[in-house]
Amino acid sequence: DTAVSQTPKYLVTQMGNDKSIKCEQNLGHDTMYWYKQDSKKFLKIMFSYNNKELIINETVPNRFSPKSPDKAHLNLHINSLELGDSAVYFCASSNTWTPWDTGELFFGEGSRLTVL
Amino acid sequence: GQQVMQIPQYQHVQEGEDFTTYCNSSTTLSNIQWYKQRPGGHPVFLIQLVKSGEVKKQKRLTFQFGEAKKNSSLHITATQTTDVGTYFCAGLLSGNTGKLIFGQGTTLQVKP
Repeated sequence: DTAVSQTPKYLVTQMGNDKSIKCEQNLGHDTMYWYKQDSKKFLKIMFSYNNKELIINETVPNRFSPKSPDKAHLNLHINSLELGDSAVYFCASSNTWTPWDTGELFFGEGSRLTVL
Repeated sequence: GQQVMQIPQYQHVQEGEDFTTYCNSSTTLSNIQWYKQRPGGHPVFLIQLVKSGEVKKQKRLTFQFGEAKKNSSLHITATQTTDVGTYFCAGLLSGNTGKLIFGQGTTLQVKP
């Protein structure tokens, strides 16, 4: 049983298209995250949600819109895709005492997005 | 901005040699975590350090957190081919930000 699962694992699309990545965790964690890993392996936080509430929204373009329908799911929708959006997007979850106290992160396997 | 710097970026060692990666923050951290990412894989949690000057060991891996809670290191003794991967430190910024900032990672190659 996968703890944090993301779909799809691979996504190849044209510039200007809109795409979504879904994430689900079955660990009962309160907090979920989206991280972006670029070609140089740099991991950058994009968003975090605690119990469906947005906690962290780093300087990410408005084209990226996260949605958390419940605390086990965090989806990422990207509008008007650009070449620079090509990266691996990792979903993660953690058990936290407060929205600001990050414990161990459990990462999904990643979704590799390629924009042509 | 707040940064966590990690060096070296790459390290090639002969199997059996030791390896160390260093992490430095421009600001005081609440805690620091270490992750390992195998090629093609996802980051996997190794350990968390919270206290100033803390040292923790996991078999051949030794983790340290500096006295000022601004730097950390991971040392691997007698590397094995299974140690191959990228090691990331990640610092939780002080002040209830909830932001875990990752270092750039150190990619370790081990020659058998």
